[in-house]
Amino acid sequence: QKEVEQDPGPLSVPEGAIVSLNCTYSNSAFQYFMWYRQYSRKGPELLMYTYSSGNKEDGRFTAQVDKSSKYISLFIRDSQPSDSATYLCAIDQGAQKLVFGQGTRLTINP
Amino acid sequence: EPEVTQTPSHQVTQMGQEVILRCVPISNHLYFYWYRQILGQKVEFLVSFYNNEISEKSEIFDDQFSVERPDGSNFTLKIRSTKLEDSAMYFCASMYSGGTDTQYFGPGTRLTVL
Repeated sequence: QKEVEQDPGPLSVPEGAIVSLNCTYSNSAFQYFMWYRQYSRKGPELLMYTYSSGNKEDGRFTAQVDKSSKYISLFIRDSQPSDSATYLCAIDQGAQKLVFGQGTRLTINP
Repeated sequence: EPEVTQTPSHQVTQMGQEVILRCVPISNHLYFYWYRQILGQKVEFLVSFYNNEISEKSEIFDDQFSVERPDGSNFTLKIRSTKLEDSAMYFCASMYSGGTDTQYFGPGTRLTVL
């Protein structure tokens, strides 16, 4: 079983829509969960960081962790064309070794 | 805002040649990492480095790879004898402290092995 699974998409939505991006993971011991945004040919940029279960909000972005189902989500409200990018979930596997999902390519259409 | 920088942005080399990829981490950060991303695939962990030694390395990081912090600002990844399958984006990352801190990535070096 893969450690982190993420639907690669692509996902295309109209401007202003609420976007939901998701990952599942296999190891219930994981505690630290991150979402990175990656523009084409650029490095991953940290968006959100969550420890254990619960929600974390930052502006239009909400990260959610459900440890009981081993499911992590990123919600983007009022999506903008500038949000078009690949979104990567990542989990700290321990010793600061990050394991990434495949990445979901998102396009927001004006 | 401080950022991780990497040079060169694109490196083309012949198979069997040695390459050195360079990174300047954020200045007060203590933990350093290399990741790679083969085109269309996941970002993969290669190695972590702290206190002038390797903390953790993946199966990918074999004897052909080495890392060094030659001075107070640079962090390098050397591939001794490049193979075609080493072609990828290589990302450097740094982090201030361990525990609950997070890693900040550079823009990457695209390595093309011919």
